[in-house]
Amino acid sequence: DGGITQSPKYLFRKEGQNVTLSCEQNLNHDAMYWYRQDPGQGLRLIYYSQIVNDFQKGDIAEGYSVSREKKESFPLTVTSAQKNPTAFYLCASSVLAGVMNEQFFGPGTRLTVL
Amino acid sequence: GNSVTQMEGPVTLSEEAFLTINCTYTATGYPSLFWYVQYPGEGLQLLLKATKADDKGSNKGFEATYRKETTSFHLEKGSVQVSDSAVYFCALMNTDKLIFGTGTRLQVFP
Repeated sequence: DGGITQSPKYLFRKEGQNVTLSCEQNLNHDAMYWYRQDPGQGLRLIYYSQIVNDFQKGDIAEGYSVSREKKESFPLTVTSAQKNPTAFYLCASSVLAGVMNEQFFGPGTRLTVL
Repeated sequence: GNSVTQMEGPVTLSEEAFLTINCTYTATGYPSLFWYVQYPGEGLQLLLKATKADDKGSNKGFEATYRKETTSFHLEKGSVQVSDSAVYFCALMNTDKLIFGTGTRLQVFP
């Protein structure tokens, strides 16, 4: 089955620790995205990548980092510089970045920083 | 800039009631418009979309019409079911980014 997987579903970390969230897709999509979702708010774009070895900052990139070494993988690192990291993180992909291309979402990772 | 405004929830309905969730947008140019649904503890699924003015998107009994004159994309369903309980997000795409509204929670009771 084609799709997007995110792991783990729940993640707990101590304050001050970096943590990496996994996102893998087997849809052969070029573009991948990371969003953050907070209660009562819409999704906000953290980073996106239109092609391997290239990525751009979204609206709330501070305190996060990404890499895109392989087409199917787009891991997100939440660093200790992120002031309020507890949130639900969603990964998405699309055939290409652009107006006509639907984004497919993974099931999400809920990160709790203690 | 680009933005999406949705009605605040929760929307609480009895089964078989008529549903409307309002969505208006601000955008330069001609955006594409989307409705996504999020069931508890899950990611988002595309529900329907419209790419130009007067287009009607439809899926699973839900409909929304792209109204350029009122900059709106209201979601409707004639008869809701308990299984429709979820959070619904309106979104627009104008270049290569999706801009989301804050989401509207729908609760349907038997």
